[in-house]
Amino acid sequence: GAGVSQSPSNKVTEKGKDVELRCDPISGHTALYWYRQSLGQGLEFLIYFQGNSAPDKSGLPSDRFSAERTGGSVSTLTIQRTQQEDSAVYLCASRRGLAVSTDTQYFGPGTRLTVL
Amino acid sequence: EDQVTQSPEALRLQEGESSSLNCSYTVSGLRGLFWYRQDPGKGPEFLFTLYSAGEEKEKERLKATLTKKESFLHITAPKPEDSATYLCAVQAPRGAQKLVFGQGTRLTINP
Repeated sequence: GAGVSQSPSNKVTEKGKDVELRCDPISGHTALYWYRQSLGQGLEFLIYFQGNSAPDKSGLPSDRFSAERTGGSVSTLTIQRTQQEDSAVYLCASRRGLAVSTDTQYFGPGTRLTVL
Repeated sequence: EDQVTQSPEALRLQEGESSSLNCSYTVSGLRGLFWYRQDPGKGPEFLFTLYSAGEEKEKERLKATLTKKESFLHITAPKPEDSATYLCAVQAPRGAQKLVFGQGTRLTINP
């Protein structure tokens, strides 16, 4: 595809359930990011993958959150034992090269997660 | 610590009424300041990157400027289709390859 895609677009789950969110980056992009956006708020960095390097997990809010990137392409963000405060839009972004200062981040449409 | 602060939180203008949005930052050794536009239900869309004080960039009715402490997004004679949330971001400190975003300014242009 031409852009970053995410699935599902919407996810409603019950408190305590696990959820998986998927991101397909732009082909050839080596860097991939996950962000969280709560209602009316800016973007909160969660995790960053660059090629085969160890991911930067410094933004993950708790050990209930994890992410993986298989084959340097598709990424999955997993939230275990979901809580109501996890309700937010989860955005994925990818960029082509090594330098965040010079390479544009392209965002997907997001997954809106609602925890009841 | 707050590294990026945007103001105002929300702004309503009449069509054709020019104004400016502000983004103040506290990161030292700025490596890039980024402006994005976000429409409801969509991901942010890249607008501009500014690297040094005095730099300006333009796109249609938008012009972004940069000083050593802040950036302005000037909107000239806006149209209703310019209504969106405008996000500002800077590269995180110490060369980290990630962006720190402000809270955004929600802009509404009334016809």
